[in-house]
Amino acid sequence: QQQVKQSPQSLIVQKGGISIINCAYENTAFDYFPWYQQFPGKGPALLIAIRPDVSEKKEGRFTISFNKSAKQFSLHIMDSQPGDSATYFCAASDQTGANNLFFGTGTRLTVIP
Amino acid sequence: SQTIHQWPATLVQPVGSPLSLECTVEGTSNPNLYWYRQAAGRGLQLLFYSVGIGQISSEVPQNLSASRPQDRQFILSSKKLLLSDSGFYLCAWSAQRFNEQFFGPGTRLTVL
Repeated sequence: QQQVKQSPQSLIVQKGGISIINCAYENTAFDYFPWYQQFPGKGPALLIAIRPDVSEKKEGRFTISFNKSAKQFSLHIMDSQPGDSATYFCAASDQTGANNLFFGTGTRLTVIP
Repeated sequence: SQTIHQWPATLVQPVGSPLSLECTVEGTSNPNLYWYRQAAGRGLQLLFYSVGIGQISSEVPQNLSASRPQDRQFILSSKKLLLSDSGFYLCAWSAQRFNEQFFGPGTRLTVL
């Protein structure tokens, strides 16, 4: 059972455009929502994360929007650049285990010049 | 600063052979440690996690096992590899009581 559902599976955006990736979850015990960026052959890198006490968090060109009532969160990449081309994973965590993360299935983003 | 190492970077093994992948963390103490597998074009599946030396929890039944012989060392093993064990294996760490997980560079395992 996929605890975090991510869409779209792939995304093509023009340079300078906005990339939007969406995730949804069911478990209301989740209290931490990170996004990871992964380049081919590399390990995922933590990009930005949010907790449910805020509705938005911005770091540079990356913004997380969080809708607690809808149990959805999204990543917005403003002014997308070819260097942003990578696979992006959303995840969610509760307090069970060792704060284990449940990952979405990933979105392959391609930014074309 | 903290760093996480994995080796080997790539491995090609025949079916039925044993496996040992190693992960070490530097610059922190008593971390939570995790093993994930990522199949081609897929998400990350948590295999094992550990909150301390000798403490291993398994998330999915499988052909693999994990051990934590030292505080900052995490080992993934198998006695006999299956074709389905092929994938990209990632080790991660987090500080106790914190959610942020940081991943190593990964090991690409191909079982032939």
